Amino acid sequence: GQNIDQPTEMTATEGAIVQINCTYQTSGFNGLFWYQQHAGEAPTFLSYNVLDGLEEKGRFSSFLSRSKGYSYLLLKELQMKDSASYLCAVRGGSYIPTFGRGTSLIVHP
Amino acid sequence: EPEVTQTPSHQVTQMGQEVILRCVPISNHLYFYWYRQILGQKVEFLVSFYNNEISEKSEIFDDQFSVERPDGSNFTLKIRSTKLEDSAMYFCASSESQGGREQYFGPGTRLTVT
Repeated sequence: GQNIDQPTEMTATEGAIVQINCTYQTSGFNGLFWYQQHAGEAPTFLSYNVLDGLEEKGRFSSFLSRSKGYSYLLLKELQMKDSASYLCAVRGGSYIPTFGRGTSLIVHP
Repeated sequence: EPEVTQTPSHQVTQMGQEVILRCVPISNHLYFYWYRQILGQKVEFLVSFYNNEISEKSEIFDDQFSVERPDGSNFTLKIRSTKLEDSAMYFCASSESQGGREQYFGPGTRLTVT
């Protein structure tokens, strides 16, 4: 089975930096994804990590440590539109991602 | 930019009725998926489909569910006899390859069973 944990909710200030953590236990590993999901909308792809280290993509970066079963998503220069749910999803032994419950990020002025 | 489309955006049905949810994946993608998300809960995998057959399915995808690619563009999810607990958002997704970095999600169909 697979278990994915991430905080339920976080708040941050516009312009700040926020780090959303994700820990996982899986049978096998074929990659970790981060998705953004606004209320009532579909998940949209943010990042993918399969090797250890940091992947940077504009204001968003994602880090992976396979030995620790740990990832984080770093959001810089926060904007109000970044208020959304952030989903950590892990591909275990199969190619199907298992999603965490998501972290609801509230950005306030 | 190519995108996955789904119809209808919202479907209301009575318990026990059959529903068919429709998806048009991105045209050059070969792998197709259905997920569901009950309100306030996490996204759950239902089934994956490749080369006109199911490649993987979850415990949720029981005999009440079926998928089909009736022609070269559509991918459908049928629920034979809906239950109240089938009320959820259903997302279709597609990807170029099985191990691809990204699955592209459609906008979803909100299914309400009364």
